[in-house]
Formats: sequence, C-alpha cells, structure tokens
Amino acid sequence: KQEVTQIPAALSVPEGENLVLNCSFTDSAIYNLQWFRQDPGKGLTSLLLIQSSQREQTSGRLNASLDKSSGRSTLYIAASQPGDSATYLCAVSSSNTGKLIFGQGTTLQVKP
Amino acid sequence: DAGVTQSPTHLIKTRGQQVTLRCSPKSGHDTVSWYQQALGQGPQFIFQYYEEEERQRGNFPDRFSGHQFPNYSSELNVNALLLGDSALYLCASSYNRANREAFFGQGTRLTVV
Repeated sequence: KQEVTQIPAALSVPEGENLVLNCSFTDSAIYNLQWFRQDPGKGLTSLLLIQSSQREQTSGRLNASLDKSSGRSTLYIAASQPGDSATYLCAVSSSNTGKLIFGQGTTLQVKP
Repeated sequence: DAGVTQSPTHLIKTRGQQVTLRCSPKSGHDTVSWYQQALGQGPQFIFQYYEEEERQRGNFPDRFSGHQFPNYSSELNVNALLLGDSALYLCASSYNRANREAFFGQGTRLTVV
C-alpha cells in the first residue's frame, strides 16, 4: 500500500530564503508525482508534475526533483516571498488511472 | 477556459440528510475524480469516473455514490449524512491520455450539523 509522508509539517522562514520541502513515498512503482499549493479553505493549484521517467521539473522559482529508487521528491523554492505562504501538498499516482495519494502537506509561512 | 468548477461552494446539512455536489471538468478533460479533505489532512480519494462509469474506488462506504454525464460533468452523492462527513470535497479532472495531470476545483465545504 502506497504511503506518502511530508516533512516538516510546518516551516517558517524569513523572506528571501531558499527552502526545500520534502516528500517520501513507500512504493517506487509510481506513474507520476505532482506538487500542489493550497491556500486556506481553497482548492489545490497544480505547481509541477514529474513523470516517472523524469528527474526534475522547473517552473519559475520552483524546482521539483524525483528519485524513484529512494522514494523521494523535493520541492525547492528560490528567493521565497510572503505570497508563497500556503500549504504544499505532494501526491503520487501509482497507476495510469491517475488516482492520487497525498501526503499531509507542509504549511509554509514566509515572514516579511 | 474556466478550469474545474464546483457547486455549491458551501453547504450545511443535518445528520441523516442526503447531499449532491456537482463538478464540471476543465475543457478537454474526460476523467473526473472526487476527494475528501478533512481539516489539516491531505485529500483522500473517493472514486474516479471515466466514460460514465466508476473506474476506481477508494475506501469509502456505499453511502458515497457518483455519476458522470455524457458531457463529462459529474455528481457526488452522499446519503445518510454523518457528522464525520463534514469536510472539503474536491473534484479533479484530467485527460485519460497524455500525462494525466490533475487539475482541481475550489471545492465544496460541507458542514453536517
């Protein structure tokens, strides 16, 4: 049974810092991995998707990496801004149907 | 493109009642999945619809049922509501081919009293 864990559960950093969010999964047989952002009480916004054959994806100040063999993914946020404050969720799909299994998220606060 | 749209945004129901939530997928998407998110938790998969049939189901009781229409929109029905059904219900759509990237709606906040 696939399980996804995100560490830390919460993170507070000063504006301008570079930071890394971690995601680990127990079964390396994944189809893809997605990182999402969620603002309080809102839906999920897709940030990056990494296919199982890929090692990393980049979008603006965000970079996500994938190491299937070790069951890990990281989301790197460069030059953090207060507007980056949100909960970041990692989700893996273990089949080609697209069913997602989520971690519990990391709540990020970026202080001005 | 309006993206994934869900209705209503908020709903208050009484224990034992029934509720129907609605979802319109992103243009070009043919697959709809439903998730339940309790406060402070990650979303949990309820079920997925493709070609108007339930393709996959998570660990939810039969009180949770759904439907997909020919235009790919979908409904989630919950019967005999319990206090524990209070949660944010999220709909996600994707295209069955390509990379199956999931796009989510804003969710429906259901409160059972």
